[in-house]
Amino acid sequence: DQQVKQNSPSLSVQEGRISILNCDYTNSMFDYFLWYKKYPAEGPTFLISISSIKDKNEDGRFTVFLNKSAKHLSLHIVPSQPGDSAVYFCAVSYSGAGSYQLTFGKGTKLSVIP
Amino acid sequence: NAGVMQNPRHLVRRRGQEARLRCSPMKGHSHVYWYRQLPEEGLKFMVYLQKENIIDESGMPKERFSAEFPKEGPSILRIQQVVRGDSAAYFCASSPASGLAEETQYFGPGTRLLVL
Repeated sequence: DQQVKQNSPSLSVQEGRISILNCDYTNSMFDYFLWYKKYPAEGPTFLISISSIKDKNEDGRFTVFLNKSAKHLSLHIVPSQPGDSAVYFCAVSYSGAGSYQLTFGKGTKLSVIP
Repeated sequence: NAGVMQNPRHLVRRRGQEARLRCSPMKGHSHVYWYRQLPEEGLKFMVYLQKENIIDESGMPKERFSAEFPKEGPSILRIQQVVRGDSAAYFCASSPASGLAEETQYFGPGTRLLVL
């Protein structure tokens, strides 16, 4: 049973426009949320994170929004650039477990078209 | 480069052989995590270690898989008697020793294991 779902396997966006990637989770105990970006044959690269006490976190072109009641988070990239083309993974963790293991979604492949 | 290092990057084994994957965490990090990624899937947690201690191995298969993080040297993920289903990308991540729940994990480039 998937605890973290990224329902869009792929997304195409025109350069300069906004990219919106979505992620849903099932367990309300999760309290730390991250986005990673991954290029083929490389490891995931950390992008941005948010804790459950916030509903928004911004870092340059990247903004993460958290809606706890809906168990939903999203990553906004604006403006999108061709170098943003990659697979984006949503990851969640639960601080009370004593182990900081991350649970990942299956990823969304973003293609930014020049 | 002070990032997480993994070797080898690619490993080919025949069924029944042993695979040893190595991970050196970022400088100053003493928490190590191993994840596995099957084709078209997300990363799946396997094990979380600190120096000389296994903290959480809830994601490890019950047989053939083991992990260690000795006082000196890299963390090792060992797979005995490999089978074709073990073919995957294995990623190591590390985080600082601050003990905070909100710790970012930084990933290495991965080891791609192919079992023939």
